[in-house]
Amino acid sequence: AQTVTQSQPEMSVQEAETVTLSCTYDTSESDYYLFWYKQPPSRQMILVIRQEAYKQQNATENRFSVNFQKAAKSFSLKISDSQLGDAAMYFCACLTSYDKVIFGPGTSLSVIP
Amino acid sequence: EADIYQTPRYLVIGTGKKITLECSQTMGHDKMYWYQQDPGMELHLIHYSYGVNSTEKGDLSSESTVSRIRTEHFPLTLESARPSHTSQYLCASSSGGRDEQYFGPGTRLTVT
Repeated sequence: AQTVTQSQPEMSVQEAETVTLSCTYDTSESDYYLFWYKQPPSRQMILVIRQEAYKQQNATENRFSVNFQKAAKSFSLKISDSQLGDAAMYFCACLTSYDKVIFGPGTSLSVIP
Repeated sequence: EADIYQTPRYLVIGTGKKITLECSQTMGHDKMYWYQQDPGMELHLIHYSYGVNSTEKGDLSSESTVSRIRTEHFPLTLESARPSHTSQYLCASSSGGRDEQYFGPGTRLTVT
């Protein structure tokens, strides 16, 4: 069975600092995609960044980057120069060839001014 | 923001009532999903559809039902609401393949 684990239920970061959110996953598939989604308070869930498993290069989107360690099945999200608007629930997700998306339990990120 | 809509946004209803939560998307996506998000914020898949006339139950057992008569529309119905149905319900869609899901704003349901 596929699982996605986020071991940090809550994290906090000082504004302008860097924070890393952890995610580990388990799948027997060789072809899969990984995502980080952001759900701000009372707002829609949106995609932050995605990573194809076959790509060795870590994905980057502006201040957001991932550290994808395929052998360790680890997919952490790094947020640089944290802003107040980054405060949200962050969900790690894994999509496999069976078109099933498994979400992690989420990490609540607070940004301290 | 994505072109996926949910109505109502908030609903308070008494036990035993029948309710339908609406979800529509204008992106032409074949795949649509319903998630239940509990107070701990974890997402649980309750229904999904791969296209018109296709519906499947998700990983979390639910007393709700869904239909997919039109590509853009994926309503969820509770025949008899109970307090245990109190939760947030999120609708999502994707174009398939390896594309990400687009989420609606959610319906927060309270059953008294």
